[in-house]
Amino acid sequence: DTEVTQTPKHLVMGMTNKKSLKCEQHMGHRAMYWYKQKAKKPPELMFVYSYEKLSINESVPSRFSPECPNSSLLNLHLHALQPEDSALYLCASSQILDRENTEAFFGQGTRLTVV
Amino acid sequence: GQQLNQSPQSMFIQEGEDVSMNCTSSSIFNTWLWYKQDPGEGPVLLIALYKAGELTSNGRLTAQFGITRKDSFLNISASIPSDVGIYFCAGRKRGSTLGRLYFGRGTQLTVWP
Repeated sequence: DTEVTQTPKHLVMGMTNKKSLKCEQHMGHRAMYWYKQKAKKPPELMFVYSYEKLSINESVPSRFSPECPNSSLLNLHLHALQPEDSALYLCASSQILDRENTEAFFGQGTRLTVV
Repeated sequence: GQQLNQSPQSMFIQEGEDVSMNCTSSSIFNTWLWYKQDPGEGPVLLIALYKAGELTSNGRLTAQFGITRKDSFLNISASIPSDVGIYFCAGRKRGSTLGRLYFGRGTQLTVWP
């Protein structure tokens, strides 16, 4: 099983709303990632969690707040977003980070539209 | 962040033709990954490469890890319409312990029946 599950698949939110994106994996991976992807562009790294601790924050604005409640779950809390934040948000997971040779598996993404 | 140089940017081919795309970097990479992404979906891992010179196949797909460790290529033989999509290369740099993946800009593949 190489499945990473993201919910919801689509989300429309206003600029004053608070919403959350969810990601789940049951592969025993201890590294989980959030990426943002604009149309026809490669994914851009936002956050990396290693053993449920935040290890990389790519200078992401504070209106994006990640959370890793346990080794299988990753959330991205959204608040006061801007229309330019509309994008496909991808979650990924991989085996422990001190092994360089690891694949990363992606979820199907959440298409976010900020109105 | 650093991006890999992926080419070509787009390809328009006829069904049955073979396809080749590649990725290069100025840095040494220890892992090369090739993904395919359909519109509105997440990238799907096609092939993973871990050793310089390694040649790996997955059905009609073949990928190689360059011996200099700075490049990789992906070949698709006898293309079919469902091969349409964006193909991304991605890699992990030598010495990277924080899980960072570097991505190419993607190759948009169109297959005409």
